Amino acid sequence: EPEVTQTPSHQVTQMGQEVILRCVPISNHLYFYWYRQILGQKVEFLVSFYNNEISEKSEIFDDQFSVERPDGSNFTLKIRSTKLEDSAMYFCARGTSTDTQYFGPGTRLTVL
Amino acid sequence: GIQVEQSPPDLILQEGANSTLRCNFSDSVNNLQWFHQNPWGQLINLFYIPSGTKQNGRLSATTVATERYSLLYISSSQTTDSGVYFCAVTGTASKLTFGTGTRLQVTL
Repeated sequence: EPEVTQTPSHQVTQMGQEVILRCVPISNHLYFYWYRQILGQKVEFLVSFYNNEISEKSEIFDDQFSVERPDGSNFTLKIRSTKLEDSAMYFCARGTSTDTQYFGPGTRLTVL
Repeated sequence: GIQVEQSPPDLILQEGANSTLRCNFSDSVNNLQWFHQNPWGQLINLFYIPSGTKQNGRLSATTVATERYSLLYISSSQTTDSGVYFCAVTGTASKLTFGTGTRLQVTL
């Protein structure tokens, strides 16, 4: 199965700090997604990114969040000022609406 | 947006038993996937099945798109099958909408 990797696997941060979650390395893919899963809940869509632009975002994806593909391979999710409620598992995925979407192993973010 | 409902929410089986998990969705879909979330939180692809029937070992899945449901069959369950099973769909947009999952526990 095509591999999607994420770093770090775990991140602990203090409330108000900035965090950057990474999807690495990815090449020759156009469609990327970030999803999150609060402990014990279902997986929720955050944002889709096509051809280096945001194509859709959910109401969760407010001004505190941003996505980038800074060097053509890494795909990052930045949370500018973390809140307690941002504690969750964050998944990166690639794929399209008419084919299998492949998920990375996730980054578990804990905000203290 | 599309609504996705899964049933049952919880299921406890003895090893060797068979089970059927159901996923209902509220609108036509372009993509339907079944995932197994393991105890480490990883989402493992089981099937990409917007319509028809597929089988992979002890697992099989059927999607009846015209009636807006999908079924996941687990036969001869093993303790390693424990975890949460998610159904997820896409409509006109490419994002996946997930159901709330079925938590399966297989006991010895």
